[in-house]
Amino acid sequence: GAGVSQSPSNKVTEKGKDVELRCDPISGHTALYWYRQSLGQGLEFLIYFQGNSAPDKSGLPSDRFSAERTGGSVSTLTIQRTQQEDSAVYLCASSSQISGGTQYFGPGTRLLVL
Amino acid sequence: DQQVKQNSPSLSVQEGRISILNCDYTNSMFDYFLWYKKYPAEGPTFLISISSIKDKNEDGRFTVFLNKSAKHLSLHIVPSQPGDSAVYFCAARGSNDYKLSFGAGTTVTVRA
Repeated sequence: GAGVSQSPSNKVTEKGKDVELRCDPISGHTALYWYRQSLGQGLEFLIYFQGNSAPDKSGLPSDRFSAERTGGSVSTLTIQRTQQEDSAVYLCASSSQISGGTQYFGPGTRLLVL
Repeated sequence: DQQVKQNSPSLSVQEGRISILNCDYTNSMFDYFLWYKKYPAEGPTFLISISSIKDKNEDGRFTVFLNKSAKHLSLHIVPSQPGDSAVYFCAARGSNDYKLSFGAGTTVTVRA
């Protein structure tokens, strides 16, 4: 079956520009997560959506980062006024249980801010 | 702060031998632990997990051991195969939490 998909797979942008990253979770998965992996680091939690509940945004590094999830399915992570330190792989995951479901990851979006 | 640590960034092992990957954690509230495997240009894929009520979980060639008192877990791969060459991430969370805390990963290279 279809897994988590993300687009674009790669994004190169200039410092100061805004970018949007998209995630399509596995159909029927109610939970959706965004992580990022900087070079040589582990995955860092950014934000969590569960059904119609208010998202947990505690991992977002600054107010330049925002995310939304429309219709309980597709999610968009937006980074405004990108900085070079935003360069990383942004990974999306989804799961089918509130807290216990295995998280299934997409292939990631590699963001490079010049 | 890094709550999950994988102190070995890389591991090289001969095909057929055992691979042992180690992971330490600092948060005593963690009680569910997972290992993910990641190939280049792909997302991490779930490999095996263990709950704190157990000290061992086995799935084919993969076994995870948990030592709660030492806040340490390990992944054993026996026998190692060339297709096991990948980055392995250790992850942990609390029982009622959903956020995973990840280690920095260990790159395993299986030599033919």
